[in-house]
Amino acid sequence: AAGVIQSPRHLIKEKRETATLKCYPIPRHDTVYWYQQGPGQDPQFLISFYEKMQSDKGSIPDRFSAQQFSDYHSELNMSSLELGDSALYFCASAFGTGTTNEKLFFGSGTQLSVL
Amino acid sequence: AQSVAQPEDQVNVAEGNPLTVKCTYSVSGNPYLFWYVQYPNRGLQFLLKYITGDNLVKGSYGFEAEFNKSQTSFHLKKPSALVSDSALYFCAVRLLTGGGNKLTFGTGTQLKVEL
Repeated sequence: AAGVIQSPRHLIKEKRETATLKCYPIPRHDTVYWYQQGPGQDPQFLISFYEKMQSDKGSIPDRFSAQQFSDYHSELNMSSLELGDSALYFCASAFGTGTTNEKLFFGSGTQLSVL
Repeated sequence: AQSVAQPEDQVNVAEGNPLTVKCTYSVSGNPYLFWYVQYPNRGLQFLLKYITGDNLVKGSYGFEAEFNKSQTSFHLKKPSALVSDSALYFCAVRLLTGGGNKLTFGTGTQLKVEL
């Protein structure tokens, strides 16, 4: 069965550079969530989209932006990277946002290292 | 504030013995509770959920969890642990906000099953 695809798997950047992370949800899923997991930390919610519109916002820095495209894939754009941005970035997808949407399917994540 | 707490950073258990990974929650209203497992360099995988109904919830890989409203707990259990169960386990609560159903995770418990 198709799963959530994230690319790239690994990304190395230097401070002040920019990065773009991509997420391809499971087919027919219309909701995408982004999470950031620092080393030894629990996943922290960044932002979510439903039907190409931002549906919720968490602890996402102003240097980051994201969007969901017409094919439902999503991109997380990160600018002016800082050392503290080094983390594992997870994308998760789901179908719908109501009470029937009970289970998120996570990708394997993008490991971002900022040097 | 709505949150979950996992009081143990690590749980060690011998293979074949029962295991318990603890989780307590704090929410306003009815909690929607989840357990996810994370293997090294992998995304989070859904184990089980509690929405309504029976307090004992059965999930994947022989895991189950018991919802206890009076103790505000949702402990993960398995009657007989396997070495392959060794992983990082996250308890999560769903916050039903206006535009989505983001999960808030606990800090995680590292389960180590030894021969």
